[in-house]
Amino acid sequence: QLLLQESGPGLVKPSETLSLICTVSGGSISSSIYYWGWIRQPPGKGLEWIGSIYNSGSTYYNPSLKSQVTIAVDTSKNQFSLKLISVTAADTAVYYCATLIAQQLVELWGQGTLVTVSS
Amino acid sequence: NFMLTQPHSVSASPGKTVTISCTGSSGSIASNYVQWYQQRPGSAPTTVIYEDNQRPSGVPYRFSGSIDSSSNSASLTISGLKTEDEADYYCQSYDSSTVVFGGGTKLTVL
Repeated sequence: QLLLQESGPGLVKPSETLSLICTVSGGSISSSIYYWGWIRQPPGKGLEWIGSIYNSGSTYYNPSLKSQVTIAVDTSKNQFSLKLISVTAADTAVYYCATLIAQQLVELWGQGTLVTVSS
Repeated sequence: NFMLTQPHSVSASPGKTVTISCTGSSGSIASNYVQWYQQRPGSAPTTVIYEDNQRPSGVPYRFSGSIDSSSNSASLTISGLKTEDEADYYCQSYDSSTVVFGGGTKLTVL
């Protein structure tokens, strides 16, 4: 059974870089079935797709976040990562890693991790 | 940019039927599949409907999805409401390589 687990700092200072890791267990991140993605949810608000990556290295980003975001895969560690640069308080959210089928629907979610942007 | 619009909230009594709408801003909502996710407080979302009207294993038959091309909208219908159905519901679709979520609907079971 595929499982996803987010990890990373829970507090990031404004203007710095938010970095998160998603560790995949129970399956290979090199699988051709899945796209690997990040989705966030500010406190009390809705879901926002951040971006996705396929094992070929192809990346897809939310146009509103594209200038800030990098998603990468580390096959040696069976992990994928999120980097969000120049963060502000508006980037405070629960960040979920997820698997997507055909880059169109979310099949599996991690449990989520809260990242607060504050000095 | 393609957007999905949902009502902010709906409510109904136990045993009744409720429908949550999800309207596409442009194009044809039928061009790409629509999914519906349920999110209870403090938990990650889970899928209740995928590919417009398919139920994942373990989701009760009380949950159903449909598409209405004439109104460019998708709907999630929950029949025989139970108190455990009280949650936030999000529709989601896809357009031009981007994943799009609706703003979410809070379902209250009175």
